[in-house]
Amino acid sequence: DVKVTQSSRYLVKRTGEKVFLECVQDMDHENMFWYRQDPGLGLRLIYFSYDVKMKEKGDIPEGYSVSREKKERFSLILESASTNQTSMYLCASSAYLSVSYEQYFGPGTRLTVT
Amino acid sequence: GIQVEQSPPDLILQEGANSTLRCNFSDSVNNLQWFHQNPWGQLINLFYIPSGTKQNGRLSATTVATERYSLLYISSSQTTDSGVYFCAVGSGGSNYKLTFGKGTLLTVNP
Repeated sequence: DVKVTQSSRYLVKRTGEKVFLECVQDMDHENMFWYRQDPGLGLRLIYFSYDVKMKEKGDIPEGYSVSREKKERFSLILESASTNQTSMYLCASSAYLSVSYEQYFGPGTRLTVT
Repeated sequence: GIQVEQSPPDLILQEGANSTLRCNFSDSVNNLQWFHQNPWGQLINLFYIPSGTKQNGRLSATTVATERYSLLYISSSQTTDSGVYFCAVGSGGSNYKLTFGKGTLLTVNP
């Protein structure tokens, strides 16, 4: 079974703090994704990566950056957390150029910025 | 970008009832997935179904790509089926990126 893990289920941070959210997948997938989920707005793509050190902006990249130094690990960074970044963050992975582009999700991190 | 609409937004059932959830999309797709989000927020993969029909136990799904819709059928519903069901699609050269619908909130009462 594909397994995607995220470093924390719940996280509380102060405004202005630098926040790291970590995601690890064990299926040797090329693609990795970060989404946020908010009531009424659904899931929106923040960033994705299609290879080590490669990244592309999603629909709402402002206020975020990402890092992918190893194939299995994809980090989301909030340089200076703000209250409007309080949200549920979901990581996903998928294979590239295969017969299936199926994405698999981690359990999510509920981040609260106070 | 591609638009994804799910209906109904909310659905309340008695245990044992059947239901059909619908997903309409605005462009051709080569990736379509159905997910169930459990009360803890985890997205569980139900079907990868860009076209055709699949069945898994009490759940089945059909995608008619030429008419731009997909249906998720739940038969003999159970209280554990409660949660939000999402349809997500990928299209064109960005088929590895998913665009999500707003979801259907299903409540199954005992």
